[in-house]
Amino acid sequence: GAGVSQSPSNKVTEKGKDVELRCDPISGHTALYWYRQRLGQGLEFLIYFQGNSAPDKSGLPSDRFSAERTGESVSTLTIQRTQQEDSAVYLCASSLDRTKVETQYFGPGTRLLVL
Amino acid sequence: AQTVTQSQPEMSVQEAETVTLSCTYDTSENNYYLFWYKQPPSRQMILVIRQEAYKQQNATENRFSVNFQKAAKSFSLKISDSQLGDTAMYFCALRNNNDMRFGAGTRLTVKP
Repeated sequence: GAGVSQSPSNKVTEKGKDVELRCDPISGHTALYWYRQRLGQGLEFLIYFQGNSAPDKSGLPSDRFSAERTGESVSTLTIQRTQQEDSAVYLCASSLDRTKVETQYFGPGTRLLVL
Repeated sequence: AQTVTQSQPEMSVQEAETVTLSCTYDTSENNYYLFWYKQPPSRQMILVIRQEAYKQQNATENRFSVNFQKAAKSFSLKISDSQLGDTAMYFCALRNNNDMRFGAGTRLTVKP
């Protein structure tokens, strides 16, 4: 596709349920990032994938959060036993990451609301 | 640790006028990259402009330009001839290798 896509665009869930968010990066982009953006705030880094290297999980806020990526394609972010504090927009970005000068291209985000 | 600070939570400007958004940062690295992203109500993050720290010349993209002061660790964004479509949140970001940090954002409103 022409850009980064994310699904679903909106998700409403009940506290305690698990949710799975999906990101389709731009074809050929080896790097993929997940961010969380709470209402009215900036972006918090969650996790970074680069090719087949071990992901950088340093931004994950708790062990309820996990993410996977198969090769250089789709990534899923899973939040288990959701809490109301998990309500936020979850943004995915991808980049070429060949020279480390790369620009990140963002998807439209998934707005998660935990009731 | 790298930090990015945007000290102006909100700003407004009259259509066709010029506005400057401030950003300061802190890093111990010498080679890094700075970005300004725009996030309209659609919440899609759009790259506005970027600057490589090793370049002294300020980056320019049409109506958008930056004032990069490396010694002062300042990276302000100037929007000339403001348009209604410029209304959005603007985020300043600093990147060094895998570490990407964003400021808290400045909400810009362009008034007709």
